[in-house]
Amino acid sequence: GQNIDQPTEMTATEGAIVQINCTYQTSGFNGLFWYQQHAGEAPTFLSYNVLDGLEEKGRFSSFLSRSKGYSYLLLKELQMKDSASYLCAVWDSNYQLIWGAGTKLIIKP
Amino acid sequence: DTEVTQTPKHLVMGMTNKKSLKCEQHMGHRAMYWYKQKAKKPPELMFVYSYEKLSINESVPSRFSPECPNSSLLNLHLHALQPEDSALYLCATKGSGDTDTQYFGPGTRLTVL
Repeated sequence: GQNIDQPTEMTATEGAIVQINCTYQTSGFNGLFWYQQHAGEAPTFLSYNVLDGLEEKGRFSSFLSRSKGYSYLLLKELQMKDSASYLCAVWDSNYQLIWGAGTKLIIKP
Repeated sequence: DTEVTQTPKHLVMGMTNKKSLKCEQHMGHRAMYWYKQKAKKPPELMFVYSYEKLSINESVPSRFSPECPNSSLLNLHLHALQPEDSALYLCATKGSGDTDTQYFGPGTRLTVL
């Protein structure tokens, strides 16, 4: 079967760094996404990794290891507005997105 | 331009009403998607259009009827919905090749009374 695992909830402090992990087992792989979603709003695109390695975009970085079926999203210099759910999703061989259940990130002052 | 627009933003309808959700994109993407999302759950795929043809229908009830009039527009026609159909309905597009990213519209919050 197809499966994506990520932690249900994480808590971090404003100004700190947090890493959200995602492991996947899918039928085929055409890339991995990270989305941010605030309650009641649509997912916002953060990153897309198709090759191994680290992609950095400002305060957010995303890492992929295809051999390990593993990715992480790294958020630096956390701000209160970063409190949201973070969704990991994989394009399978048919270009259907397989979603993780999302990680709710709580930022405390 | 990486914008996908959806109208209306909010919709309240009775179980006997007929309404439509609209989605528009001008990125030249040839794949367009409808998703349904319930609170605290990931999006759930409903339909995929590829080059204006329906390519995937994830066993969605017939009270939801998609339509793709042209490469920029995607509609979702609603009829005789149930209260459990209340959800956030998301439109998304996908580029091709180096631009395989999936972009989401802002969604329509649907409430069925």
